[in-house]
Amino acid sequence: AQKITQTQPGMFVQEKEAVTLDCTYDTSDQSYGLFWYKQPSSGEMIFLIYQGSYDEQNATEGRYSLNFQKARKSANLVISASQLGDSAMYFCAMREGMGTGRRALTFGSGTRLQVQP
Amino acid sequence: KAGVTQTPRYLIKTRGQQVTLSCSPISGHRSVSWYQQTPGQGLQFLFEYFSETQRNKGNFPGRFSGRQFSNSRSEMNVSTLELGDSALYLCASNERDHRETQYFGPGTRLLVL
Repeated sequence: AQKITQTQPGMFVQEKEAVTLDCTYDTSDQSYGLFWYKQPSSGEMIFLIYQGSYDEQNATEGRYSLNFQKARKSANLVISASQLGDSAMYFCAMREGMGTGRRALTFGSGTRLQVQP
Repeated sequence: KAGVTQTPRYLIKTRGQQVTLSCSPISGHRSVSWYQQTPGQGLQFLFEYFSETQRNKGNFPGRFSGRQFSNSRSEMNVSTLELGDSALYLCASNERDHRETQYFGPGTRLLVL
């Protein structure tokens, strides 16, 4: 079974509108972390936001927020007020066994977001 | 603080050759992870080094190896290159907090002909 599922291969959004990128995950660990990264065409992965499994509040970082629904095992990224520079691939990733020294990230297949003027 | 640096940025090799890629983590970070990104397989974890020791390894053949030096710089080596090794190789260094966020370098694009 896929550990991280991103069901939207591509998304379009109008500039200044909000967009939600979906991510569901599968783990039996109690302690895990969820990360979102942005990858522009240059290739570098840019860290956006983190949500820990024990965090009670949804994470927010500027225009990025994470809609974390633990029971449904979903961690959707919300980008508010989209900008042209937000056009990129977006990856959801999970680290299981937080605090155990396991640092490997498992990535989803990504969503390509295109912001239209 | 300077970010993660990777050299070289682009590389062209032929089948059967070997290649060494280099990664310098963010100053103060002691853990380095390597990932391979291909259109078919996506992003896959290769291995992770901490204090010069390999701590975790992904599901890759023994042709893929790595090491870490005392200054935390890391290298990965791929021997007997195959066409399927063509990929973007990303290195990440881990923040020293409870999140251990991984910060990535720009990657090395390897093309095997």
